[in-house]
Amino acid sequence: DADVTQTPRNRITKTGKRIMLECSQTKGHDRMYWYRQDPGLGLRLIYYSFDVKDINKGEISDGYSVSRQAQAKFSLSLESAIPNQTALYFCATSDPGRGIGFEQFFGPGTRLTVL
Amino acid sequence: SQQGEEDPQALSIQEGENATMNCSYKTSINNLQWYRQNSGRGLVHLILIRSNEREKHSGRLRVTLDTSKKSSSLLITASRAADTASYFCATTSLYNNNDMRFGAGTRLTVKP
Repeated sequence: DADVTQTPRNRITKTGKRIMLECSQTKGHDRMYWYRQDPGLGLRLIYYSFDVKDINKGEISDGYSVSRQAQAKFSLSLESAIPNQTALYFCATSDPGRGIGFEQFFGPGTRLTVL
Repeated sequence: SQQGEEDPQALSIQEGENATMNCSYKTSINNLQWYRQNSGRGLVHLILIRSNEREKHSGRLRVTLDTSKKSSSLLITASRAADTASYFCATTSLYNNNDMRFGAGTRLTVKP
């Protein structure tokens, strides 16, 4: 079984809808991250969490919110989706006790299309 | 804004040849990582090199880091069709260990 799972894997929605992307991990890592990937732009950090009570904004948090329900679960919400949020979204985890800048383990991604 | 920029954007080689990808960055770093991404899938960590290291090896991978030029290179020797993927560098700021930025990637195609 995969260590980092994301649901759904694909989602098509309409402008203005609320969407939640979910991430679960079995690696036992405290640190979890949400990224978006756009063609030609690499990955950009949306939010990160170092534990259940520690949520931090990343480079591009506007229009997104997150919830860390448990050590193993980290959800990303788009409160009112817009077309330029169409992208590939990745969840990642890293080893506890280290900063962001160490090996991260990625989920398979969620392809989101906002019409 | 992105910290690392990979060069070239795309590279096509024959199986058995070596592939070299470069990453340039703008600010001082704590470390630099290389990741591989197969089409539409999650990234997989390949190697991490710290700012006080100049070269690291892992199997067929060789990474160099030149902090004076703010650049790194990833060499894949004796490439295989299975190496076809996108390769990304990611840099962590020296001043903020929570600030890790990815480049736009190099798309490598290895022809059998």
